[in-house]
Amino acid sequence: AQSVTQPDIHITVSEGASLELRCNYSYGATPYLFWYVQSPGQGLQLLLKYFSGDTLVQGIKGFEAEFKRSQSSFNLRKPSVHWSDAAEYFCAGAYSGGGADGLTFGKGTHLIIQP
Amino acid sequence: DTEVTQTPKHLVMGMTNKKSLKCEQHMGHRAMYWYKQKAKKPPELMFVYSYEKLSINESVPSRFSPECPNSSLLNLHLHALQPEDSALYLCASSPQPGQGGNSPLHFGNGTRLTVT
Repeated sequence: AQSVTQPDIHITVSEGASLELRCNYSYGATPYLFWYVQSPGQGLQLLLKYFSGDTLVQGIKGFEAEFKRSQSSFNLRKPSVHWSDAAEYFCAGAYSGGGADGLTFGKGTHLIIQP
Repeated sequence: DTEVTQTPKHLVMGMTNKKSLKCEQHMGHRAMYWYKQKAKKPPELMFVYSYEKLSINESVPSRFSPECPNSSLLNLHLHALQPEDSALYLCASSPQPGQGGNSPLHFGNGTRLTVT
């Protein structure tokens, strides 16, 4: 069965430092992959998505993610974090032939920003 | 600002009450979703409407009853809930059902439901 794994439950980063959040996927074929961010008390906001083509994807708020087929990974990166980036981050995947109803979420990574 | 609007933002209800959650989008999306999210957990899919027809019900108890009156509106009717139903209920929409990642989800900010 398809799955998305986020190995880190919590990540603490100093403000201004670089960030990488890990995501691994297990699908029979290349899935569609997404990163969402959720601030406290809010819904989920789409940061970026990967369908095919260029493996380095640019998103909103200065985030990017790189699809690596050989490692079954889709890690999220940001060169310099801001205190406002503190939030819960979810990686998600969907079969390329399926609907968004087939979206599978990882368990999430809670990002803490130290001053 | 989100383009999917959910009301109310917060709801407290007793186990014998009947209440409804509302969701509205004006992006012309033809798929709408209800998710349930417990604290520190990812969202769990409850229902999917495709072209105003219920296409997926993820074995949700009958005390939750969805309704899609038109392509812009989605309701979730609640009756005889249990305290364990307390959660954040998220509505989402996507442009086309069945398009996989070509049709990513747009989420509302949710309704925080507390059942006493």
